Amino acid sequence: NAGVTQTPKFQVLKTGQSMTLQCAQDMNHEYMSWYRQDPGMGLRLIHYSVGAGITDQGEVPNGYNVSRSTTEDFPLRLLSAAPSQTSVYFCASSFRDTRMNTEAFFGQGTRLTVV
Amino acid sequence: ILNVEQSPQSLHVQEGDSTNFTCSFPSSNFYALHWYRWETAKSPEALFVMTLNGDEKKKGRISATLNTKEGYSYLYIKGSQPEDSATYLCAFCGTSYGKLTFGQGTILTVHP
Repeated sequence: NAGVTQTPKFQVLKTGQSMTLQCAQDMNHEYMSWYRQDPGMGLRLIHYSVGAGITDQGEVPNGYNVSRSTTEDFPLRLLSAAPSQTSVYFCASSFRDTRMNTEAFFGQGTRLTVV
Repeated sequence: ILNVEQSPQSLHVQEGDSTNFTCSFPSSNFYALHWYRWETAKSPEALFVMTLNGDEKKKGRISATLNTKEGYSYLYIKGSQPEDSATYLCAFCGTSYGKLTFGQGTILTVHP
């Protein structure tokens, strides 16, 4: 059982480059989300999806795009990388529940450095 | 932006000590409160999902309580061990879409 798989684990980008962080889950979870983790700031929500074809913005969406064409995959695209996007990125998934009383499962994280 | 606060930011205890920390969250539109344990170089893993006022949950030496009316939850660790060293995150869910808003975490270090 793979759970939530994120790739790559590490990435270095030059300012202005674009890239896609991949996230896939095999638990048939409806809800998927992307967070970034910066020192002293906890996990901040970038974008989330409550099902295939449905996405919405989180707390810090600027500079990122997402799409959800299948239940399994939720890629995060950086359109034009900036040094401020240097961070550790986590993808998470869970069953969608109106009370969110099911736990979130996290991927291993992607450490991104923009130079 | 929802305000989810954790205190203290960091904590150093000796092996065998019991400890506790706090998560404060909005008391309105409450749906659920999650606790996660996050070890260095790993991913966060769920400890508890709490939904009802007065909930108490326990897993081994770790337990948690919930007060939704006043907007706080406590996490307790009894007889801390070095392997308990981690960042403990709480996350508040206040909407039916299930968005989790995380606190900044409490970093626990247990010294042998």
